[in-house]
Amino acid sequence: ETGVTQTPRHLVMGMTNKKSLKCEQHLGHNAMYWYKQSAKKPLELMFVYSLEERVENNSVPSRFSPECPNSSHLFLHLHTLQPEDSALYLCASSRGDLGNEQFFGPGTRLTVL
Amino acid sequence: AQSVTQLDSQVPVFEEAPVELRCNYSSSVSVYLFWYVQYPNQGLQLLLKYLSGSTLVKGINGFEAEFNKSQTSFHLRKPSVHISDTAEYFCAVSVFRGSQGNLIFGKGTKLSVKP
Repeated sequence: ETGVTQTPRHLVMGMTNKKSLKCEQHLGHNAMYWYKQSAKKPLELMFVYSLEERVENNSVPSRFSPECPNSSHLFLHLHTLQPEDSALYLCASSRGDLGNEQFFGPGTRLTVL
Repeated sequence: AQSVTQLDSQVPVFEEAPVELRCNYSSSVSVYLFWYVQYPNQGLQLLLKYLSGSTLVKGINGFEAEFNKSQTSFHLRKPSVHISDTAEYFCAVSVFRGSQGNLIFGKGTKLSVKP
C-alpha cells in the first residue's frame, strides 16, 4: 500500500458538473495539502490542513472547496469549474513540523471541458 | 520572505555524462532544503534533504547535493546519469507559517537524458 493515494487518477468534467477528488494517507501524518500543477507554471499550494483544521488558503477561488473529515482523508470538491482549472491536482501529507518532508500522492489529472 | 530559484528550466544531457541542476534560495533564517523528482504521470518523490550537519547530502538513485550557505545554493549532482533519470526535478525550502511547516518550490528543471 503506497503512503498517499488519490482517486480518481483521471477526471473529465463539464463546467456545470460537481465532482470530488479524494486523498487518503496511511502514514499517520497530521498535516495534509492540496497543490495544483499546471503546464509551464510552478507548483501552486492551494490548501493546508493541520490536525483537520484549515490553516492556509492561498486565495483559491470558491469553486474549489476542501474538506478534511479526519487526519487520514482530504477531499477537494469541485463545482462550476473553468477550462483553465484543467491541471494535475496533487495531494501531500507530512508530520507538519518544520523540516519534515511531504509525501505526495500520484495526482488526479483533471480536464474541464 | 523565502524563495527558490531554479535557473535552468531544461537540461539535456547524454547518458553516462555528469549533470548538475542548480538551485538558489533566499531566506533570512536557517533553512531546510529538499530536492524532489517527478517522473511522468506521477507525484513528487523525495530525492534528498538537508536539515543540518554535513553540507554534502547523499540521496537515492546516486544523487547528491551540496549546501553552500555563503552562496545560498543547494545544487543537485549526479556523476553519471541514466536514461531512467529523465524526469522533472524540484528544489524546495521549508518555511514556518503559524504552527505549520510548509514547502516553497522552485519552478522545476526538466532533465532529459539522451542515448
